[in-house]
Amino acid sequence: DADVTQTPRNRITKTGKRIMLECSQTKGHDRMYWYRQDPGLGLRLIYYSFDVKDINKGEISDGYSVSRQAQAKFSLSLESAIPNQTALYFCATGTKGSNEQFFGPGTRLTVL
Amino acid sequence: EDQVTQSPEALRLQEGESSSLNCSYTVSGLRGLFWYRQDPGKGPEFLFTLYSAGEEKEKERLKATLTKKESFLHITAPKPEDSATYLCAVGGDYKLSFGAGTTVTVRA
Repeated sequence: DADVTQTPRNRITKTGKRIMLECSQTKGHDRMYWYRQDPGLGLRLIYYSFDVKDINKGEISDGYSVSRQAQAKFSLSLESAIPNQTALYFCATGTKGSNEQFFGPGTRLTVL
Repeated sequence: EDQVTQSPEALRLQEGESSSLNCSYTVSGLRGLFWYRQDPGKGPEFLFTLYSAGEEKEKERLKATLTKKESFLHITAPKPEDSATYLCAVGGDYKLSFGAGTTVTVRA
């Protein structure tokens, strides 16, 4: 089945470490998104990409960076992790002309 | 800035007890209102898209409706397997703004 996958699914790290979260999709979608989810706050957009050469900041991009290595791959990096980046991170995909998005299973990140 | 508010935060229902969830929104140009279901430890799963006031969509025991200021998700005769967090989002410029969700628990 066409799908959105995320690796790792769980990660515990220490303050100051560099972390990369990866997302791959087989849906053939051109648009990819990174969100974080915190209790009581809902999903918030970190970065989004409409194609390989088009990357945009979302509402909470500070402390994060992204790389769109191919149409099917979009990675999120935390250059120097801090405890308030502890959250659930979701990757999503979408297509041109539609606002519908399809989500991966998420990565639970804990920064000690 | 787009804003989405969902109520109540949590809803506990007896099996068969119908109820409704509310999603109120403010958006500069609505390009769709979306309902998602999220189970614990999983990513949101798409349920419905509504585009214009008066539109309704149904799927099994769920029915979504839309007005100019809010949307309702009606759950008719719920079963325990309907227990989940239901998220509402509004779309604009091919981005989504999400509410915090309503967690529904259905007891047998």
